[in-house]
Amino acid sequence: AQKVTQAQTEISVVEKEDVTLDCVYETRDTTYYLFWYKQPPSGELVFLIRRNSFDEQNEISGRYSWNFQKSTSSFNFTITASQVVDSAVYFCALRGVYNFNKFYFGSGTKLNVKP
Amino acid sequence: DGGITQSPKYLFRKEGQNVTLSCEQNLNHDAMYWYRQDPGQGLRLIYYSQIVNDFQKGDIAEGYSVSREKKESFPLTVTSAQKNPTAFYLCASSSADRETNEKLFFGSGTQLSVL
Repeated sequence: AQKVTQAQTEISVVEKEDVTLDCVYETRDTTYYLFWYKQPPSGELVFLIRRNSFDEQNEISGRYSWNFQKSTSSFNFTITASQVVDSAVYFCALRGVYNFNKFYFGSGTKLNVKP
Repeated sequence: DGGITQSPKYLFRKEGQNVTLSCEQNLNHDAMYWYRQDPGQGLRLIYYSQIVNDFQKGDIAEGYSVSREKKESFPLTVTSAQKNPTAFYLCASSSADRETNEKLFFGSGTQLSVL
């Protein structure tokens, strides 16, 4: 079974604080892909990152960083020095190889960054 | 610019009425998807299509129908059999390549409400 769990429903921080969004996944596939998407108030999901199961290197992109740990089936997302524009709902998603047209989304974490 | 266009942005359905949501893409993608998003929940897959004239049911297909007569278009009809249609509907597309970790591209969504 494929499943993505984002246990944090909503997080509120003050601008410039660091914040980590958790993502835990379940899959029987040995090859799979993980994604993070941002959904601002406008509604459209914006792609942030994808990672395949063979690449456990952490990635940093500006204020964003991702920590992928296969041992704990987690793919966490950290925003450093948060800004008001980071306020959005963030979704973690999983895609396998055998049923490769199905993306499994977590329930999302709503991030509120207050000035 | 390449992208996915959904229309209308807001739609209202009367009791017993069928309504159709439009989704058009100019990304030359083979695969297209319809997701439903309810408040506080993740995206749930309604239907997807890997190629023209072919489509498969997702996890919550009951009360919905689709067609894929052209590569660019994947309209979704919400029928009167769907008893709880109020939700935000997102259309997406991808290159449908098993061997790559291709991401989903999303439209800006349609908010459907029942009068």
